Amino acid sequence: SQKIEQNSEALNIQEGKTATLTCNYTNYSPAYLQWYRQDPGRGPVFLLLIRENEKEKRKERLKVTFDTTLKQSLFHITASQPADSATYLCALVIDNAGNMLTFGGGTRLMVKP
Amino acid sequence: DTEVTQTPKHLVMGMTNKKSLKCEQHMGHRAMYWYKQKAKKPPELMFVYSYEKLSINESVPSRFSPECPNSSLLNLHLHALQPEDSALYLCASSQDPGGSYNEQFFGPGTRLTVL
Repeated sequence: SQKIEQNSEALNIQEGKTATLTCNYTNYSPAYLQWYRQDPGRGPVFLLLIRENEKEKRKERLKVTFDTTLKQSLFHITASQPADSATYLCALVIDNAGNMLTFGGGTRLMVKP
Repeated sequence: DTEVTQTPKHLVMGMTNKKSLKCEQHMGHRAMYWYKQKAKKPPELMFVYSYEKLSINESVPSRFSPECPNSSLLNLHLHALQPEDSALYLCASSQDPGGSYNEQFFGPGTRLTVL
């Protein structure tokens, strides 16, 4: 069966450290992968998209890598802050038309001061 | 305007009630979506509208009925729901159905409780 898995349900780190979140998928060959942030009681907010021909993408303190051989994406937040505490979701488009976004289970990140 | 708005924010309904959820965007997006999200779970896709036409129905029970009156509006009509339908209902939109860069913009959601 097709799966998108985020290894950790929860991740606690100290402020200033780098948070690394993992997203693994099976039985897909996605053209791109997306990462979203979701705060409690709110809708997800798009953060980054990385295409299959891109190894790495950066945006401010965020970095995403995409290894299509390993079928894995890593999401890094450097110099983490308590305000980064949220649930982070990876997502793949699983249909040829590009409309069916399927999410991983999410990782709840807690950054402690 | 880069916002997706949803009304109401909260809704409590009985199993015999009929109610509607509303979603609006003014970004000129041509794809709109309904998702259902249970606590501590990721959003699950329910329906996709492309150019105001229903293109995907993810085997959703008929007690949920979507409607897209125009390119800016999306409704979800609810009838004879069950308590297990209680969830956060999220609306989203994206610029170009099937485009190569299709980030989705989500609304804040409607928290639905079915008694």
